[in-house]
Amino acid sequence: QQQVKQSPQSLIVQKGGISIINCAYENTAFDYFPWYQQFPGKGPALLIAIRPDVSEKKEGRFTISFNKSAKQFSLHIMDSQPGDSATYFCAATYNQGGKLIFGQGTELSVKP
Amino acid sequence: DTEVTQTPKHLVMGMTNKKSLKCEQHMGHRAMYWYKQKAKKPPELMFVYSYEKLSINESVPSRFSPECPNSSLLNLHLHALQPEDSALYLCASSHPGLGKNIQYFGAGTRLSVL
Repeated sequence: QQQVKQSPQSLIVQKGGISIINCAYENTAFDYFPWYQQFPGKGPALLIAIRPDVSEKKEGRFTISFNKSAKQFSLHIMDSQPGDSATYFCAATYNQGGKLIFGQGTELSVKP
Repeated sequence: DTEVTQTPKHLVMGMTNKKSLKCEQHMGHRAMYWYKQKAKKPPELMFVYSYEKLSINESVPSRFSPECPNSSLLNLHLHALQPEDSALYLCASSHPGLGKNIQYFGAGTRLSVL
């Protein structure tokens, strides 16, 4: 019940295309869903996050879509750039604190 | 400043050595975390300190010993490690109870056990 399932495991997108990464969770008590971006040799960095009372959140080229009834959320990267090539982790947690439950990660490669 | 600083960046140690990893943050965060990350895998939580007290130990072997000397500093003492302990060790911090469980990660220490 604590799992977060993430897909795809890897993704290759052409420059200017849309990258879509999907996650599903089981525990309806989770109330905070962050996405982390990790470049090789670096720690994960918070990219964007959403609470379940919001269906969509957009920050620049990055958008989270949230479907509470389906217990699914996804990250859309519009106009993908080679600099977006990184590993992306979705996560679920509790707003007031506690451990992050990470998805397995998606390795994104944006080809020029 | 949202920086979590970890030292050293790289560490090579033998199985009989004792070494320590250090983590520092000056964001006033009162929760600090140690994670272990293997290649192409998500970070795995090891320990959580909340207000300088150990609140979570994810059944980590005793050859890993955490310490939180003050609210800004977190150490991980290593002793008699095994080659399978080679990984990226990440420190993170957050401010509990602020309504956003945002954890800020350091760049990590790349540990190799020979």
